[in-house]
Amino acid sequence: QVQLQESGPGLVKPSETLSLTCTVSGGSINNYYWSWIRQPPGKGLEWIGYIYYSGSTNYNPSLKSRVTISVDTSKNQFSLKLSSVTAADTAVYYCARHPGVYLGGYFDYWGQGTLVTVSS
Amino acid sequence: DIQMTQSPSSLSASVGDRVTITCRASQSISSYLNWYQQKPGKAPKLLIYAASSLQSGVPSRFSGSGSGTDFTLTISSLQPEDFATYYCQQSYSTPTTFGQGTRLEIK
Repeated sequence: QVQLQESGPGLVKPSETLSLTCTVSGGSINNYYWSWIRQPPGKGLEWIGYIYYSGSTNYNPSLKSRVTISVDTSKNQFSLKLSSVTAADTAVYYCARHPGVYLGGYFDYWGQGTLVTVSS
Repeated sequence: DIQMTQSPSSLSASVGDRVTITCRASQSISSYLNWYQQKPGKAPKLLIYAASSLQSGVPSRFSGSGSGTDFTLTISSLQPEDFATYYCQQSYSTPTTFGQGTRLEIK
């Protein structure tokens, strides 16, 4: 059974960089797409971006200038960096797997989520 | 970006009821529509992909239909564990986008 686990600081100061890592267990990171999705408290879901195991990426244009997603296949991990954060970036951050894009663009496995609060 | 609009935003129903949630896309998305269930404090769970394909392990009382711009999620006989928030998601184009959610509450 594939499991995903997010890790990283739960508190980030304004203007700094949010950094999270997702560790995949129970399966290989190879041959899949891996996304970051966030959910502000009490609100809906926003896709941040994805990375293919080979390293190709696609980001939400609304966040593209501040987002970097990377992958480390040797550790079965992928990571998110979001720069210049503000209070509006406070959210539960999820990592998720998808078999492909378009028709395969559904998220079949999710991490439990980690709350990141932006505050001084 | 493709806008996804769900209706209703909230719904009260009883155990055993048949419930339908609607999702409308701002442009045609063929059958690239997925449904999720989210319970408080938990990650979303995939129910339906490609508009009508039931994800493995999901009870058969859940079904999806539609194509183009209009889609529905139907729960044939509500069970106590079904009270949750439901989201649709289009994967026709990037950025993938979600509906605002439909909160299903106990009457």
